[in-house]
Parts: sequence; C-alpha cells; structure tokens
Amino acid sequence: EVQLVEAGGGLVQPGGSLKLSCAASGFTFSGSSIHWVRQASGKGLEWVGRVKRKVDSYATAYVASVEGRFTISRDDSKSTAFLQMNSLKIEDTAVYYCTRSDKTGYKYWGQGTLVTVSS
Amino acid sequence: DIVMTQSPDSLAVSLGERATITCKSSQTVLYNDKNYLAWYQQKPGQPPTLLIYWASIRESGVPDRFSGSGSGTDFTLTISSLQAEDVAVYFCQHYYTTPITFGQGTRLEIK
Repeated sequence: EVQLVEAGGGLVQPGGSLKLSCAASGFTFSGSSIHWVRQASGKGLEWVGRVKRKVDSYATAYVASVEGRFTISRDDSKSTAFLQMNSLKIEDTAVYYCTRSDKTGYKYWGQGTLVTVSS
Repeated sequence: DIVMTQSPDSLAVSLGERATITCKSSQTVLYNDKNYLAWYQQKPGQPPTLLIYWASIRESGVPDRFSGSGSGTDFTLTISSLQAEDVAVYFCQHYYTTPITFGQGTRLEIK
C-alpha cells in the first residue's frame, strides 16, 4: 500500500524557518518525482514545487511566490522528501501535502501537515 | 503561467440529476495527442482524490457516473446522476508544465 506521511508542521513566527518531511512507503521512492501542494484554510490548492528523480538530476521547480525561500530535497536512502521553508510569511499559512507524481496527475497524497505563520 | 478558470464557483443540483463543471485553461494543455488535465474531488478534512486524468480517463475505482471531456483549452467534468456522497469541492489541474496550476474550485451541493 502506497503511503505518504508528512511531518514537521507547527507554529512559527514571520521570518522564521520550518522543515517539513514526507516519508514514503509501498513503492519505489527513488523512481518517483515528489511534489508539494498547499491549501490555506477554506481556499484552493496551490502547487508549491517538486523534486525529480536522480536520473533527472534531482531537478527542482517552484511556484514564483516561494522561489528563493523554499527548497525541496530528497533522501532516497530513507524514502523521504523534505520542504525547507525559510523567511516564512503569514500568507504561507496552509496545510502542506506531499504527493507522488505519476505523470497522470496525483493519485497518492499524504494527509497533510499544518503550518501556521503568526506572531 | 497557465491560468485555470472553473465555472461555476458553486453549484446546487438535485439528487439523480446531472452536474456539469467546466474548466478553461489560458493556453493549450494538449501535447502529442494527450491533454495534460486532471480532475479532483475534495471532501472536508481530506486530501483531494484523483477522479480523471488525460482529461477523460477515469481513475481506477471511480464510479462511472463521473466523466471528463474536452481538449486543448476547454474541459468538462460531468456527474451523470448526482449522489449524496458527491457533495464536495472539485478542482481541475493542468500538469502540462511547471508551474502546475489548479482551478479555483467548484463547490457542489444538493438542491
């Protein structure tokens, strides 16, 4: 069974940092691109970014609003992806989901982890 | 960036009736005869569930009352006979290139 489990969310002050993790199981993690999607309370879905596989040089891409502040990485030996968030803003408050990209949309999602940026 | 625009923002349909949601992309998502377009259903407190990919292919386990159509820039999600469990928010998404973007969502309720 494919599972994605996010962790690391919490309350952080504006300007602070937080690192989320996404632990995967039930599939060959190293063979998949991992994407992060966020959703503010009562709002829509926003793609945050992705990290590709080793064969694709672990290429990353980000939405413009987080470029330069967020970094996505992965540790294939631990089947885990990470989202390092720096210089956090109030508008980054959201539930953050990790997903597996199958080139046919996102079939598998984690349950999400809540990040609250507030003073 | 490709902008995805859904309509309507909310929709109320009677049980057993048809529900139709449209999604328009600001540029084509058709490449090599494939439309890089997916539809999701999201219920409160849950992550989204993939319903349709390649614009018209139903994900395994999705009831056949759900169907997707369209090509290029104009797409439609149809629920042929609304059931109570279909109350949810529906999103379209393109995965043609990065940044990947979603429509704003359509809230579907029972009339």
